[in-house]
Amino acid sequence: QVQLQESGPGLVKPSQTLSLTCTVSGGSISSGSYYWSWIRQPAGKGLEWIGRIYGTGSTKYNPSLKSRITISVDTSRNQFSLRLSSVTAADTAVYYCATTVCINGICSIDYWGQGALVTVSS
Amino acid sequence: DIQMTQSPSSLSASVGDRVTITCRASQSIDNYLNWYQQRPGEAPNLLIYGASSLQSGVPSRFSGSGSGTDFALTISSLQPGDFATYYCQQSYSTYPTFGGGTRVDLK
Repeated sequence: QVQLQESGPGLVKPSQTLSLTCTVSGGSISSGSYYWSWIRQPAGKGLEWIGRIYGTGSTKYNPSLKSRITISVDTSRNQFSLRLSSVTAADTAVYYCATTVCINGICSIDYWGQGALVTVSS
Repeated sequence: DIQMTQSPSSLSASVGDRVTITCRASQSIDNYLNWYQQRPGEAPNLLIYGASSLQSGVPSRFSGSGSGTDFALTISSLQPGDFATYYCQQSYSTYPTFGGGTRVDLK
């Protein structure tokens, strides 16, 4: 079973870049079986899909965040990463990394990391 | 964007109750609809995919129905561990979107 663990700074200053890494165990990030996704959740609010990357490096991003997002993959370390630039307080949230599985065109988010709280504050 | 609207936003129920949560899409999404459960302090957990397929390991008291724009999640007999927030999510678009959530708490 795939397991995921987020890591990165818990506090980021406004206008700076948020960087998080997700370490994957129990599966190869380049296996082609999964998309590797980021989702976030502000405290007390709902879920927002940020974007995803395939093991080949192809990406899809949330249009509302697209200008500020970069998702990349490091196959040698079995990790994928999120960078979100020019952050504001509105980017304060728990950030989850997750796997998306697509079967017969139906895609679902099957495995989730435990989540990493990132606070944007000076 | 495909907007997902859940109702109710919250409900109170007792152990053993039958509970139904609905989700409406702003356009037809065929059966590209998933349901997740999120307990406080935990990551979401996939319950139902493809509108009605039960994820492996999920108890059979959970069921999903619907297609097109209208969907439902039913819990046939609410158990103590089912008090949580439930989210629908469409995967019709390459840009997935979630409903606002339905919180189920103890009456």
